[in-house]
Amino acid sequence: GIQVEQSPPDLILQEGANSTLRCNFSDSVNNLQWFHQNPWGQLINLFYIPSGTKQNGRLSATTVATERYSLLYISSSQTTDSGVYFCAVGNPNQAGTALIFGKGTTLSVSS
Amino acid sequence: ETGVTQTPRHLVMGMTNKKSLKCEQHLGHNAMYWYKQSAKKPLELMFVYSLEERVENNSVPSRFSPECPNSSHLFLHLHTLQPEDSALYLCASSQEERETQYFGPGTRLLVL
Repeated sequence: GIQVEQSPPDLILQEGANSTLRCNFSDSVNNLQWFHQNPWGQLINLFYIPSGTKQNGRLSATTVATERYSLLYISSSQTTDSGVYFCAVGNPNQAGTALIFGKGTTLSVSS
Repeated sequence: ETGVTQTPRHLVMGMTNKKSLKCEQHLGHNAMYWYKQSAKKPLELMFVYSLEERVENNSVPSRFSPECPNSSHLFLHLHTLQPEDSALYLCASSQEERETQYFGPGTRLLVL
């Protein structure tokens, strides 16, 4: 099945810094979503972005489907950005609707 | 607040107990999902329901039994679980399959 790799696995930032999180996938996708999981376990959908670029406040994401990667940009990071960021993809060659999740990037932002 | 609620938030059960997890979505969505998140492992999809019909069952042991009585409610019935079933169980919903998924806060389950 499709493989999803996220990098870096861990990231430590000072408040105000910018960062880029990467998601590589091994096959074509028709569904790609970025999620943030806070320290209490709540997963929040950040972007639905199988291709193209989207922005929402300090966050933006770009997916280059032909090159099989997606990037999540966080600008002017805040302590509330801490948590785990997951990339999840759906493969058109795979029956069903399963989203395959990467292992995540754990972000710690300190003040 | 994502519009998806789960109860209970925490559950401790013995291996011989029977319990149920409940998920309710207030978003008018047609698809609902159960995921399992174990420590140090990626989220794993367990079940998918679309318009109250089960459309996926990802090789989940029979000690986990889902139920979707209507498009707003999803249950996960648990019986004779094993300690390795201890995990965070997450419910999600989406308007249609393959669309943006909204997650509930999860139930942290500990099996003793």
